[in-house]
Amino acid sequence: AQKITQTQPGMFVQEKEAVTLDCTYDTSDPSYGLFWYKQPSSGEMIFLIYQGSYDQQNATEGRYSLNFQKARKSANLVISASQLGDSAMYFCAMRAYSGAGSYQLTFGKGTKLSVIP
Amino acid sequence: NAGVTQTPKFRILKIGQSMTLQCAQDMNHNYMYWYRQDPGMGLKLIYYSVGAGITDKGEVPNGYNVSRSTTEDFPLRLELAAPSQTSVYFCASSQDTSLNYEQYFGPGTRLTVT
Repeated sequence: AQKITQTQPGMFVQEKEAVTLDCTYDTSDPSYGLFWYKQPSSGEMIFLIYQGSYDQQNATEGRYSLNFQKARKSANLVISASQLGDSAMYFCAMRAYSGAGSYQLTFGKGTKLSVIP
Repeated sequence: NAGVTQTPKFRILKIGQSMTLQCAQDMNHNYMYWYRQDPGMGLKLIYYSVGAGITDKGEVPNGYNVSRSTTEDFPLRLELAAPSQTSVYFCASSQDTSLNYEQYFGPGTRLTVT
């Protein structure tokens, strides 16, 4: 079974500082993908970044980067130069084979990030 | 290009009532999904579909039904609503190919069962 663990229920970061949100995963599927989604207080799910298990380089998207450590089964999200608008819930998710010819997305419980002015 | 749309945005049901949550996408995605998000939790997969006429159960399918008669639409049916079904429901779609695995989410439906 697939599992995503986010051990930080809440995090605080000073504006303009960098912050790392932790995510560890467990799967027996050798081909999988890892996502980070942002959920602001308005409720929508916003895609941030994707990392495939066979990708050689860590994914980056603007101020977001994914620190992928395959041997440790971790996929931490790094946000550089935090902004007030980054205050939100952040979910780590994994796409992996779930049997019967299908891939499914499994979500962690999320980390609530608060950016302090 | 509207993306993924969901109706209604909010709904209050009495115990035992039934309703259908509507979901539509205009991106010609084969894959569509229904998730529920309970307070303070991540999303859990209810049902998914890999194409018109094909659906399958996710992690928490009990109390729900789905159908997929067209590529665009993927309605979720709640029969005999129970307080445990109070949640926010998200519909999503994806290409799910090596070029793009991203799931695109609708705005959600907040359902309260009392």
